[in-house]
Amino acid sequence: AQSVTQLDSHVSVSEGTPVLLRCNYSSSYSPSLFWYVQHPNKGLQLLLKYTSAATLVKGINGFEAEFKKSETSFHLTKPSAHMSDAAEYFCVVSDPSGTYKYIFGTGTRLKVLA
Amino acid sequence: GAGVSQTPSNKVTEKGKYVELRCDPISGHTALYWYRQSLGQGPEFLIYFQGTGAADDSGLPNDRFFAVRPEGSVSTLKIQRTERGDSAVYLCASSNSGSQMETQYFGPGTRLLVL
Repeated sequence: AQSVTQLDSHVSVSEGTPVLLRCNYSSSYSPSLFWYVQHPNKGLQLLLKYTSAATLVKGINGFEAEFKKSETSFHLTKPSAHMSDAAEYFCVVSDPSGTYKYIFGTGTRLKVLA
Repeated sequence: GAGVSQTPSNKVTEKGKYVELRCDPISGHTALYWYRQSLGQGPEFLIYFQGTGAADDSGLPNDRFFAVRPEGSVSTLKIQRTERGDSAVYLCASSNSGSQMETQYFGPGTRLLVL
C-alpha cells in the first residue's frame, strides 16, 4: 500500500532563510509524488510533481524537491522564504492501483517570521 | 480557462437533514474525484468517477453517502441523515483522463457544518 509521512506538523522559519519540509513515502511501485500548497480559505494548488523523469524537480515560486529512492524521501525546499509562503503544505502519492487517487500526508504548516 | 468550481462554498445544516454538494470540473476532464478534509488533517479519498461511472467508491464512509455524475461532467455528492461527524471540507478534483502522472486540479471546497 502507498503512504506518505510528513515528519513535521509545524515549521517556523525567518523570512529570507531556507525552507525544508520533509516527506517520506512508502510505495511498492515506482511512485508519482506531488507537493501541494493550501493557503487559508483557498483551494489546493500544485507546487511540483515527480513522475520518474528527473530526480530534482523544480516547481513554482522557487520551490524544488529531490526524489531519493534510497532514502524513500521527497523533501521540499526553497532557498529563501517569503512571507507569502506561509501556508499548509501536503505531500501526496498517487495510488497506481488503477484509480490514481491521491493519498495525502497529514500536512505541514509553514510559518514565516518577519 | 475556468478551474474546478464547487457550490455552495459553505453549508450549515441540522443533524438528520439531507444535503447536496455540487462540483463542476474543468471542461473536458473525464476523471473526477471527491475528497473529504477534516480539521487539521489531509484530504481523504471518497469516490472516483471516470466519465459517468463511479470507478471506485471505496472511500465512502457508509451508505448515507452517494455521488452521481449523470452526464460525465457535473457531479453531486449527496449525504443523507447528516451527522455531526460529517462536518468537514468536501473537495472535488478533476484530471484530464485519470492516470498516475496526471495532476489533479482542485476546487475551493464546500465547508459543511452539521449542527
